[in-house]
Amino acid sequence: DTAVSQTPKYLVTQMGNDKSIKCEQNLGHDTMYWYKQDSKKFLKIMFSYNNKELIINETVPNRFSPKSPDKAHLNLHINSLELGDSAVYFCASSQEEENYGYTFGSGTRLTVV
Amino acid sequence: GNSVTQMEGPVTLSEEAFLTINCTYTATGYPSLFWYVQYPGEGLQLLLKATKADDKGSNKGFEATYRKETTSFHLEKGSVQVSDSAVYFCASNQAGTALIFGKGTTLSVSS
Repeated sequence: DTAVSQTPKYLVTQMGNDKSIKCEQNLGHDTMYWYKQDSKKFLKIMFSYNNKELIINETVPNRFSPKSPDKAHLNLHINSLELGDSAVYFCASSQEEENYGYTFGSGTRLTVV
Repeated sequence: GNSVTQMEGPVTLSEEAFLTINCTYTATGYPSLFWYVQYPGEGLQLLLKATKADDKGSNKGFEATYRKETTSFHLEKGSVQVSDSAVYFCASNQAGTALIFGKGTTLSVSS
């Protein structure tokens, strides 16, 4: 039973399209995150939600909009996709306390052509 | 701000060699420290962690000690295997912030 699951695993789409990535966790964690991993493997936080409330919103183009319908789900919607959006996007969840690690999903590889 | 710096890779070793991957951090307080591993085509898995100074995290033969005096959390393994080939990320976490990662170190082990 997957703890943090993301769909789709692969997404190939054309420039200008709008797409969504879904994430669900069954760990009962209060906080969920989106990270972007670029082609050099660098991981950067994009957003964080705690119990459906946005708590971290890094410098990300406003074409990216997270949505959390409940604390077990955090989706990422991207408008007007650009070539530079091509990356692997990881969802993660954690308990509130900072000394617990995060549990990551297996990633969504987005390719914009 | 807080940051994590780890040695540049790739690191290429023969099977049974000793591994060290250096990691240092900067923080305003005392963060929790982690090592994550990413196998090819997969997500990140927590390898080990330490939450306070002098704590040693260990798992699968890997270990790292939280050194406050040198702000370091170096990853070591006495004898690497081909199956250890992966990308290793050092990370730190402090209250009120998200987990931040170093740039990752690619380890390649050959038989």
